[in-house]
Amino acid sequence: DTGVSQNPRHKITKRGQNVTFRCDPISEHNRLYWYRQTLGQGPEFLTYFQNEAQLEKSRLLSDRFSAERPKGSFSTLEIQRTEQGDSAMYLCASSFRQGARTEAFFGQGTRLTVV
Amino acid sequence: DAKTTQPPSMDCAEGRAANLPCNHSTISGNEYVYWYRQIHSQGPQYIIHGLKNNETNEMASLIITEDRKSSTLILPHATLRDTAVYYCIVRAGDDKIIFGKGTRLHILP
Repeated sequence: DTGVSQNPRHKITKRGQNVTFRCDPISEHNRLYWYRQTLGQGPEFLTYFQNEAQLEKSRLLSDRFSAERPKGSFSTLEIQRTEQGDSAMYLCASSFRQGARTEAFFGQGTRLTVV
Repeated sequence: DAKTTQPPSMDCAEGRAANLPCNHSTISGNEYVYWYRQIHSQGPQYIIHGLKNNETNEMASLIITEDRKSSTLILPHATLRDTAVYYCIVRAGDDKIIFGKGTRLHILP
């Protein structure tokens, strides 16, 4: 257990429905990252936050995707009008910079299946 | 795009040292070399990172060449539980992590 918690662990939804995932980072970590991973591929960067500020969004994050971190603690990733191509593992990570100590720790992910 | 090149797969006998190579010829002076691994259906697990000196922790050793253009992750006594995909990453500070395809390590009994 890395201390990064993601819920739910699994989600099955019908095409066209909206889904929301939650990530609870390690408590003192100010950076929070979201990734997507499909079968056989490495994780792909989606977006990341410094406290509540969203610093960067990947081109992969279409208009149907939105991420928030309202109080600089937990974060949510929402997908609107899901498509079958959204089926993937969604991973969250967090980190805190202290000198050269900047390692990021990942949660176990939320596996989304769109049927 | 990932700034590292790794072999797609490797085999290692159980109990032997596993040496995983990584090329990062375009690494910048402020970028660290990180290694993560991912066991099937789990999130990536941090292993080790370094800037220019060799590093060792309870999981592995990291050897970085003097010109910093390549590195080797060493698992000293591989076990079946070390079977995973290993990712070599270059990263500045706490910037986003860009993953490549990694090396799929098979530990053979």
